[in-house]
Amino acid sequence: EEQLVESGGGFVKPGGSLRLSCAASGFTFKNAWMSWVRQAPGKGLEWVGRIKTKSDGGTTDYAAPVKGRFTISRDDSKNTLYLQMNSLKTEDTAVYYCASDASWTGNVWGKGTTVTVSS
Amino acid sequence: QAVVTQEPSLTVSPGGTVTLTCGSSTGAVTSGQYPYWFQQKPGQAPRTLIYDTSIKHSWTPARFSGSLLGGKGALTLSDAQPEDEADYYCSLFCSGLRVFGGGTKLTVL
Repeated sequence: EEQLVESGGGFVKPGGSLRLSCAASGFTFKNAWMSWVRQAPGKGLEWVGRIKTKSDGGTTDYAAPVKGRFTISRDDSKNTLYLQMNSLKTEDTAVYYCASDASWTGNVWGKGTTVTVSS
Repeated sequence: QAVVTQEPSLTVSPGGTVTLTCGSSTGAVTSGQYPYWFQQKPGQAPRTLIYDTSIKHSWTPARFSGSLLGGKGALTLSDAQPEDEADYYCSLFCSGLRVFGGGTKLTVL
């Protein structure tokens, strides 16, 4: 069964940094484009960014609100996706989900990890 | 960046049919924008119902269907069940980036 498990969320002050991880299992991770999506409290879903497979160049794309502050990376040897978040702002407070962009994985989503940015 | 629009809320009677739509500020939605539809119930992570306009996953109930309708992406729910009450989000690929709509809160009442 395809599964994604996020970790690394927590409480951080504005201007701080945090790194989220997403462990994948049940599918060939290296062959899947992967995304991060967030959801602020009581709000809708917001796409954060995506990383392609290494065979597709391993390139990344980001939504405008996080571009230049967030970095997505992957370690295919560990079946793990990462989200490095720097210069955090209060408006980055959200549940962060990782999700597979590959339809053959069922476009599986993790259960999310909560990030709170507050002074 | 394109803005993706959805109805904020809709109500359907049990056994009834309802269509949720997904529009784009850049013009008509096309299959090349790979419309996706997601369902999210309170306290749960989203799950993908429909991808690439109309393709269902194995767990997607047959009463859900996706299409393009009147220049928008559309999710039609037929024979609505109480367990279909949820938030529904669409997303489109716009200039290589995925953009989510604001979501539709569907009430089955």
